[in-house]
Amino acid sequence: AQKITQTQPGMFVQEKEAVTLDCTYDTSDQSYGLFWYKQPSSGEMIFLIYQGSYDEQNATEGRYSLNFQKARKSANLVISASQLGDSAMYFCAMRPRSGYSTLTFGKGTMLLVSP
Amino acid sequence: EAGVAQSPRYKIIEKRQSVAFWCNPISGHATLYWYQQILGQGPKLLIQFQNNGVVDDSQLPKDRFSAERLKGVDSTLKIQPAKLEDSAVYLCASTPKPREDTQYFGPGTRLTVL
Repeated sequence: AQKITQTQPGMFVQEKEAVTLDCTYDTSDQSYGLFWYKQPSSGEMIFLIYQGSYDEQNATEGRYSLNFQKARKSANLVISASQLGDSAMYFCAMRPRSGYSTLTFGKGTMLLVSP
Repeated sequence: EAGVAQSPRYKIIEKRQSVAFWCNPISGHATLYWYQQILGQGPKLLIQFQNNGVVDDSQLPKDRFSAERLKGVDSTLKIQPAKLEDSAVYLCASTPKPREDTQYFGPGTRLTVL
């Protein structure tokens, strides 16, 4: 079974600053994928970034980067130059790459960006 | 490319009533998922379809929940009868293939059971 832990219920950051959202995971699978999704108040889950367990480089997508430390089983999301529109819930998720396994989500972190 | 469509966006019912949600995945996506997201939690998988067949329904409360995807395209999730604890957002997601990593989500249906 997989488990995702997000220990920060809420985070505050000022506009234009960088922020790190923590995520640790537990799995016995050797091959898996790690995801971050953003959920604004409208409710839709928006895919942000993906990291494969065998990827040697940390994933980056625009202002988003994933700080992947495999030995520590952590996959922290870094948002650079925060914007007001970044205020939302952020979910870390993982999926083993075998069979028909699906996503296991953490409980999420609420990010509030202030002017 | 159109995203995952869901309707209705909001629904309020009384306990013991029935309710149905509809999802139309991204065109060509063979795999469809229904998730339940209770307030303050991450989404939890209810059922996964590969074309019109069920791949995983281990967490679906089958005494009251049912889902179908008859033609391998759109899908309907039904609750009958609803309980107070079914109040949640019901999210639909799709991927082109079962082992495709990224799932694309619809806007969700927010259900309130009174």
